[in-house]
Amino acid sequence: GQQVMQIPQYQHVQEGEDFTTYCNSSTTLSNIQWYKQRPGGHPVFLIQLVKSGEVKKQKRLTFQFGEAKKNSSLHITATQTTDVGTYFCAGITDSWGKLQFGAGTQVVVTP
Amino acid sequence: DAGVTQSPTHLIKTRGQHVTLRCSPISGHKSVSWYQQVLGQGPQFIFQYYEKEERGRGNFPDRFSARQFPNYSSELNVNALLLGDSALYLCASSRGPVGWNTEAFFGQGTRLTVV
Repeated sequence: GQQVMQIPQYQHVQEGEDFTTYCNSSTTLSNIQWYKQRPGGHPVFLIQLVKSGEVKKQKRLTFQFGEAKKNSSLHITATQTTDVGTYFCAGITDSWGKLQFGAGTQVVVTP
Repeated sequence: DAGVTQSPTHLIKTRGQHVTLRCSPISGHKSVSWYQQVLGQGPQFIFQYYEKEERGRGNFPDRFSARQFPNYSSELNVNALLLGDSALYLCASSRGPVGWNTEAFFGQGTRLTVV
């Protein structure tokens, strides 16, 4: 069955540094969504990517969808303490699609 | 506007018991999905309902069932609880099925502990 893998599982970042988290699917996706979950909270939608090679930016966050629509990345520049949380990618493969979540990247920011 | 509402927020049950979790979607949203999130993992899809019909089912045993009511609220039922059912159960509301390029809004979840 379809699997969505995320790396790294944990990311310790010094405040002000950049980092990237990667998402890979075993099958071609129709689209991919990214969510952020703060400790003790629930997933909150960040963005959706639909087109092959698509790049979207939200302030310090840059999201990319691979040309083959099987991988995606989230790059955060100048990390802040507010970026703490777990970032999940979620792939969708069909029109009635379920969200197939990766295991997430837990981000810890050191001041 | 109110967000997605789930009840109860916390629940402790004994093995073998039955549990019912409830979800009220955002007004105007016709799709409700249920996810199970075990500590340290990503949410796992259980069910999706749209317009009161089941539109998707994840790899969960028949002990798990759900339904959507005419007002689009939903219930998730789990029978014969096992220790492994202990998790955060999340309800997600969306205007249409997630595959229709709509974002999902998650509720705060119900933390179920089976002892």
